[in-house]
Amino acid sequence: DAKTTQPTSMDCAEGRAANLPCNHSTISGNEYVYWYRQIHSQGPQYIIHGLKNNETNEMASLIITEDRKSSTLILPHATLRDTAVYYCIVRMNYGGSQGNLIFGKGTKLSVKP
Amino acid sequence: SAVISQKPSRDICQRGTSLTIQCQVDSQVTMMFWYRQQPGQSLTLIATANQGSEATYESGFVIDKFPISRPNLTFSTLTVSNMSPEDSSIYLCSVEDYRGAPLHFGNGTRLTVT
Repeated sequence: DAKTTQPTSMDCAEGRAANLPCNHSTISGNEYVYWYRQIHSQGPQYIIHGLKNNETNEMASLIITEDRKSSTLILPHATLRDTAVYYCIVRMNYGGSQGNLIFGKGTKLSVKP
Repeated sequence: SAVISQKPSRDICQRGTSLTIQCQVDSQVTMMFWYRQQPGQSLTLIATANQGSEATYESGFVIDKFPISRPNLTFSTLTVSNMSPEDSSIYLCSVEDYRGAPLHFGNGTRLTVT
């Protein structure tokens, strides 16, 4: 079973920041928080991941609480093309045979004009 | 990151037949995984494709139904055998470029069984 809890759906106005929350209260010390998104009819797309520090890349920012029990993915200026299902997943940090991803139901983000 | 090509991108098959899906990567990768996404559902891991050895299957998936090959570090196949309409899904290949790297996904094979 997925080790994360996310809201089923969220709306965001185009041009505004989209803040997607995720709870992972049972995360262990050797697990990273990963975010993926899936746009309709495409394979999941990697967005960002982190262990305990906040992370930022060209797509998004990831804020992880100090106790690591929750995180927030931030899309700073959402566009219509960001409409997708967003998955928050915890994953073993050493990958390999234990590095598969267990997907939950994710959050369906709808960006509206 | 590795570029992943899956073939076919979609197919319509008759029940009782089998379909082999190919996953080709443009560079050597450490791990390859196969996932299934049933209509309106999230992704479920079928198996880990191990190079040079038998695949490791998740609970609920068996080798007779989903035989997997991985002859080298850039290629894997998944066969869906003796298909029924319940096998209608998107099948996705995922790879780990190097140990600990984020997984990347192909665009999947959309299978419809009639």
